[in-house]
Amino acid sequence: DAGVIQSPRHEVTEMGQEVTLRCKPISGHNSLFWYRQTMMRGLELLIYFNNNVPIDDSGMPEDRFSAKMPNASFSTLKIQPSEPRDSAVYFCASTRQVANEQFFGPGTRLTVL
Amino acid sequence: GQQLNQSPQSMFIQEGEDVSMNCTSSSIFNTWLWYKQDPGEGPVLLIALYKAGELTSNGRLTAQFGITRKDSFLNISASIPSDVGIYFCAVITGNQFYFGTGTSLTVIP
Repeated sequence: DAGVIQSPRHEVTEMGQEVTLRCKPISGHNSLFWYRQTMMRGLELLIYFNNNVPIDDSGMPEDRFSAKMPNASFSTLKIQPSEPRDSAVYFCASTRQVANEQFFGPGTRLTVL
Repeated sequence: GQQLNQSPQSMFIQEGEDVSMNCTSSSIFNTWLWYKQDPGEGPVLLIALYKAGELTSNGRLTAQFGITRKDSFLNISASIPSDVGIYFCAVITGNQFYFGTGTSLTVIP
């Protein structure tokens, strides 16, 4: 299995631009999680989906952030408009069921100038 | 929200030394996990613990699930340079998943 796939691996953009991060979970996994990691705040859960349905989005920082999961093999995290404080590494993780161990992708390093 | 306290925050050790780190919580959890994050990569699961008192080994790694279900430790024996990274504990309860703040390990050759 290829594991969780994220793209792009690196993204550099200017403040105000729209950013879209992509994730393909492991085949057969029913739950998908988006995390943000920074030095100051560590690993923060932003949102998670179960069977393509958003279950808990209480970690999404503000309305500029949105996430979708149109099917079992694809999810996006969008930031619009982006701000410098959004600079972080964004991880996607998937699991067979919510209460199981999570498998992480390699992350997308986002830099907003 | 739930808080997992990991200690120490960082460690600098000589190659060959043993390492011990732990994770505590004020709440009871039924599943404890240990992850390692290499620089520039995502966290990778090392060990999963499902039963209070359980002691599990994976090569040079040993982890235990505390009998009170409020703590866990991870030991690494005979450290090597590739052990460098950040080690996270995590817990699962119901539909919630929480990560600790991490222990950064540096191994000096």
